[in-house]
Amino acid sequence: SAVISQKPSRDICQRGTSLTIQCQVDSQVTMMFWYRQQPGQSLTLIATANQGSEATYESGFVIDKFPISRPNLTFSTLTVSNMSPEDSSIYLCSVESGYDTEAFFGQGTRLTVV
Amino acid sequence: AQSVTQLDSHVSVSEGTPVLLRCNYSSSYSPSLFWYVQHPNKGLQLLLKYTSAATLVKGINGFEAEFKKSETSFHLTKPSAHMSDAAEYFCVVSATNTGFQKLVFGTGTRLLVSP
Repeated sequence: SAVISQKPSRDICQRGTSLTIQCQVDSQVTMMFWYRQQPGQSLTLIATANQGSEATYESGFVIDKFPISRPNLTFSTLTVSNMSPEDSSIYLCSVESGYDTEAFFGQGTRLTVV
Repeated sequence: AQSVTQLDSHVSVSEGTPVLLRCNYSSSYSPSLFWYVQHPNKGLQLLLKYTSAATLVKGINGFEAEFKKSETSFHLTKPSAHMSDAAEYFCVVSATNTGFQKLVFGTGTRLLVSP
């Protein structure tokens, strides 16, 4: 199994500012994933972060808005840039334990933009 | 492309009665399917998974699901609901052709359990 720590757990931010969310895993993993869960909605994959290469973004998400870093095999950050109230969501980090097995999730970062 | 449809946004049951949460999937490939549970203000927890082995899958906390290819369904059941089962449940399909676990989530079903 994998234990994932996300920081911060929640934040209230002013529009136009940026927030960086950290994801730390207790073991080395190849792939890390960032999801967004808008209020009352399901999870949507933002991007996949592979160590040593640029993140791969899903349709509707762009690097300028959601830059991602993956400096090593246990850590990643997601930045939400130039925030607006529409960015208010829970952002979750995820890793997989192995191909086609279980995905583990962090507790999430609850972001409110005012 | 893979997708899942959760047929009910809310399901209400009484404690001690059976639970049925419905999920239909669409996949161009042999799918891997999962059910995750999300309790309020907590992270996601895997309940069970189907990965082309036995079609009846048993999970944690007395939950089970049956993979029916002919019906493209993967419904979640439990014989007797407990108050602690009240949560949001997500049916999830894995895009297995990508070489890694890209998950596609359903819209979720909120299970309400009354005394």
